[in-house]
Amino acid sequence: ETGVTQSPTHLIKTRGQQVTLRCSSQSGHNTVSWYQQALGQGPQFIFQYYREEENGRGNFPPRFSGLQFPNYSSELNVNALELDDSALYLCASSSASGFDGYTFGSGTRLTVV
Amino acid sequence: GQQLNQSPQSMFIQEGEDVSMNCTSSSIFNTWLWYKQDPGEGPVLLIALYKAGELTSNGRLTAQFGITRKDSFLNISASIPSDVGIYFCAGLNSGAGSYQLTFGKGTKLSVIP
Repeated sequence: ETGVTQSPTHLIKTRGQQVTLRCSSQSGHNTVSWYQQALGQGPQFIFQYYREEENGRGNFPPRFSGLQFPNYSSELNVNALELDDSALYLCASSSASGFDGYTFGSGTRLTVV
Repeated sequence: GQQLNQSPQSMFIQEGEDVSMNCTSSSIFNTWLWYKQDPGEGPVLLIALYKAGELTSNGRLTAQFGITRKDSFLNISASIPSDVGIYFCAGLNSGAGSYQLTFGKGTKLSVIP
């Protein structure tokens, strides 16, 4: 059973640029969620995707968007990057048949300069 | 965004000592979870609590879901060096297939051999 894999592991971008982060869900999981974890904080829910559609969103602006593909993998896109977007971005997958606590990936560390 | 009130922020304990940490919320949750995060990794689920008043153990870990559904605690008995890490509580909001976790800011545990 493969876990959740995220790429890249680290990324440095300039303010105003756009970034795409990628996630492959755990085998058998069809729901993917994205979280932002700033330094010294707990993860904050960005949104969740199920059946290639967003079905839950946290308090993040529209410049945070996502996609889910037929193989359940997912992308997180952030436009017009701001310095405060610097964080660890975590992908988590779960089964739609019932919440089992999520399986988190190791995250992508994004630094905006 | 909302975060749960988790205390203490950090703890230094001797190997073999017991540890207790807790989490409170102004909102009711139907599920409480406790995660551990090691450096460079995503959170890993330790214990899930599904019913108010529930007391659940997982090895040396014991957690309780408060009767008001607004709090939870985690105890670790006979701590060992590999218990070092950051412990997060999380409350689950679920509806229409969407699973959204609200996390605390974490308790950083250091174990002195």
